[in-house]
Amino acid sequence: AQSVTQLGSHVSVSEGALVLLRCNYSSSVPPYLFWYVQYPNQGLQLLLKYTSAATLVKGINGFEAEFKKSETSFHLTKPSAHMSDAAEYFCGLTGGGADGLTFGKGTHLIIQP
Amino acid sequence: GAGVSQSPSNKVTEKGKDVELRCDPISGHTALYWYRQSLGQGLEFLIYFQGNSAPDKSGLPSDRFSAERTGGSVSTLTIQRTQQEDSAVYLCASSLALGGLEQYFGPGTRLTVT
Repeated sequence: AQSVTQLGSHVSVSEGALVLLRCNYSSSVPPYLFWYVQYPNQGLQLLLKYTSAATLVKGINGFEAEFKKSETSFHLTKPSAHMSDAAEYFCGLTGGGADGLTFGKGTHLIIQP
Repeated sequence: GAGVSQSPSNKVTEKGKDVELRCDPISGHTALYWYRQSLGQGLEFLIYFQGNSAPDKSGLPSDRFSAERTGGSVSTLTIQRTQQEDSAVYLCASSLALGGLEQYFGPGTRLTVT
């Protein structure tokens, strides 16, 4: 069985401040981990992925995430928030086999001017 | 290139009616997935196809749900005798193959059952 927990359904940061969105996972097999972003009334867009290569993964729009096996975490960060980052963010996991993604509940990122 | 497309974008139907939701994956993507996004349940994985085959249907919410894929391309998710709890956004995704590769999502179909 596998599961994903995103801490904080809503996160609010000031424009220019550090963004930190937390994701912890549980998996009985080595996981493949993903972060997706969803803007209102749109589908999910892939931000970045971890597939057992480098543990620090860089994605689009200045986001990055670090895979920490000992902490079963895959937190998403961005050094400086921009107003356009306001969206819903989903952490997802798959075991690499023939299965779909297991997602966390999502974190709504709010950017304060 | 073209991404994953879904139709219709919005569907309002009366309780008890059948609906068909369509997904056009990215050309060349052999794997196709269906998800449901609802306020109460978040994002749920429903079913995947490898080619035209769906080996595991256990993620479908009830026997009113069925899905098929033809020609290794277009997929249809059918909900029979719709209920109000079926109201959700149905998302389709595709990937080059199964096995941990990134999935590309369509914009979704918003289904409202009145």
